[in-house]
Amino acid sequence: GDSVTQKEGLVTLTEGLPVMLNCTYQTIYSNAFLFWYVHYLNESPRLLLKSSTDNKRTEHQGFHATLHKSSSSFHLQKSSAQLSDSALYYCALSPTNYAQGLTFGLGTRVSVFP
Amino acid sequence: EAAVTQSPRSKVAVTGGKVTLSCHQTNNHDYMYWYRQDTGHGLRLIHYSYVADSTEKGDIPDGYKASRPSQENFSLILELASLSQTAVYFCASRLENTLYFGAGTRLSVL
Repeated sequence: GDSVTQKEGLVTLTEGLPVMLNCTYQTIYSNAFLFWYVHYLNESPRLLLKSSTDNKRTEHQGFHATLHKSSSSFHLQKSSAQLSDSALYYCALSPTNYAQGLTFGLGTRVSVFP
Repeated sequence: EAAVTQSPRSKVAVTGGKVTLSCHQTNNHDYMYWYRQDTGHGLRLIHYSYVADSTEKGDIPDGYKASRPSQENFSLILELASLSQTAVYFCASRLENTLYFGAGTRLSVL
């Protein structure tokens, strides 16, 4: 079945350093979309990025990701982390069964320190 | 204005008791979902619905029922709450491939 793997459970880093969160996926659906959702403390999870076409970079709020179908990956990157980036980040996949919503990875908690 | 509203925001329940979590959306979306969030398990789908008066089982439906009496309302029911159901529960509505989440309900079963 469909699955999403996020290798890192926790990422801690110093403000100003780059950050990359890994996301790989498995699906039989050739036109699957990948997403990054962000969940700040005491807020609702919300959409951060949605994949575009294969090998095309998509950007929002300083974050960017590129869908690579050849490696089934959609890694999230930012060149300079800010304290306000501390949150829980979920990678998600639109599953083969459209009605079932999205399949989420386990999430990566990012903690940015001064 | 919050388009997906969950109530209550937090609840303490006793083992074996009945718990109802409510969700109301003003997005006019057909699809609605209940997810459970646990550390180390991410967001897991419990039940979903794409039309009023009909619900479908998700990936972890055991111990849960769902009810969709109208397009706007979607409830999650725990008939006999158990310790293992302590978690944060999120409701969401969906437009195309974007989910719009509520603020969550923190449930503690003692």
